[in-house]
Amino acid sequence: NAGVTQTPKFRVLKTGQSMTLLCAQDMNHEYMYWYRQDPGMGLRLIHYSVGEGTTAKGEVPDGYNVSRLKKQNFLLGLESAAPSQTSVYFCASSSRGARSSSYNSPLHFGNGTRLTVT
Amino acid sequence: AQSVTQLGSHVSVSEGALVLLRCNYSSSVPPYLFWYVQYPNQGLQLLLKYTTGATLVKGINGFEAEFKKSETSFHLTKPSAHMSDAAEYFCAVSDMAGGYNKLIFGAGTRLAVHP
Repeated sequence: NAGVTQTPKFRVLKTGQSMTLLCAQDMNHEYMYWYRQDPGMGLRLIHYSVGEGTTAKGEVPDGYNVSRLKKQNFLLGLESAAPSQTSVYFCASSSRGARSSSYNSPLHFGNGTRLTVT
Repeated sequence: AQSVTQLGSHVSVSEGALVLLRCNYSSSVPPYLFWYVQYPNQGLQLLLKYTTGATLVKGINGFEAEFKKSETSFHLTKPSAHMSDAAEYFCAVSDMAGGYNKLIFGAGTRLAVHP
């Protein structure tokens, strides 16, 4: 059981270039999330999805787009990379039960993608 | 909106000493609280969670946390630190704004354990 898999693990981009980060989960989870982690700021939510075909903005969505065409995959796109997007990106997923139980569904994280924009 | 404050970005303890990592939260509804641990070059792993019921929650690796509503706190403790506990620890609160479950994380506390 692989859990949550992120590709690539590392990437260096030049300012203005574009790229897509792929997240795949094999746990049949409904919810998927993209976070970025920066020193001293913890994890901040970029976008999330509550099911196939749905996406929503998180705390810091500007400069990013996402798609959830298949339940198991959640893609994060950078159309025109900027140095401020240098960060470690984490994908996570969680199950969805009844509304009350979804409060306490733990997030399952991938191992992250380290992105540097020069 | 919900928020989390972790006091102390770095904590250093001796092996065998008590570990205390502080977390305070702000929530307009009864909170669901979590502690996650991140080892180098890895994603986050759930240590423990508080939902309802018993306010003292036990997690993996000997960690526990106590929910104190009057103090809006959810501090993480371990009686005796081990070298393998060196990692970054994140406190988080569940946020249902917009009708969907999300987690809001604190800035993290890096724990160093020295011999």
